[in-house]
Amino acid sequence: DAGITQSPRHKVTETGTPVTLRCHQTENHRYMYWYRQDPGHGLRLIHYSYGVKDTDKGEVSDGYSVSRSKTEDFLLTLESATSSQTSVYFCAISEGTSGNNEQFFGPGTRLTVL
Amino acid sequence: AQTVTQSQPEMSVQEAETVTLSCTYDTSESDYYLFWYKQPPSRQMILVIRQEAYKQQNATENRFSVNFQKAAKSFSLKISDSQLGDAAMYFCAYSSTGANSKLTFGKGITLSVRP
Repeated sequence: DAGITQSPRHKVTETGTPVTLRCHQTENHRYMYWYRQDPGHGLRLIHYSYGVKDTDKGEVSDGYSVSRSKTEDFLLTLESATSSQTSVYFCAISEGTSGNNEQFFGPGTRLTVL
Repeated sequence: AQTVTQSQPEMSVQEAETVTLSCTYDTSESDYYLFWYKQPPSRQMILVIRQEAYKQQNATENRFSVNFQKAAKSFSLKISDSQLGDAAMYFCAYSSTGANSKLTFGKGITLSVRP
């Protein structure tokens, strides 16, 4: 299994509070991704990174920010959590671009915003 | 923008039987990749099979095979000799071939296997 961990694995928070989710990899892969999974929507890309300090927006980036200061860590921040951000969040990594290289997924973080 | 459609939200199959999961996609590109991912109750996303659009031959991985119809933009997954462990949600996904290309997922289909 690819070395990807996510923390925390579960979190319950209140509306308006900041939340940071962490993705950590031990594979030294260049690309890292954050997705959210919601019933009826599949997985949707929030943000991705193609290198240290290089990030870009995905399909559903509003309300989220990311940072990547080291190859191994990719942080997802909800500056002020809302109930619509209740979801399961997945981190993924790949050595190269999606088509040529498999994306390996972390175990997911279930976030509940009350 | 590319879209991936999985129109069947749920399917059921008898153990040891064969089942086909449907997926269609829309793209204006001529070269791309298609994937099927499996997500069991553990939530772990697992790559089942990958197809490169420029390859005519349908991909096969043990009991899993695809029927890739490029002109029809159809990419179905066939599971033969279904096992209880095949019960999961299955996602179809698309990726272009360019730099920084990303995966676009369908909404998924829940497959149940009857003993």
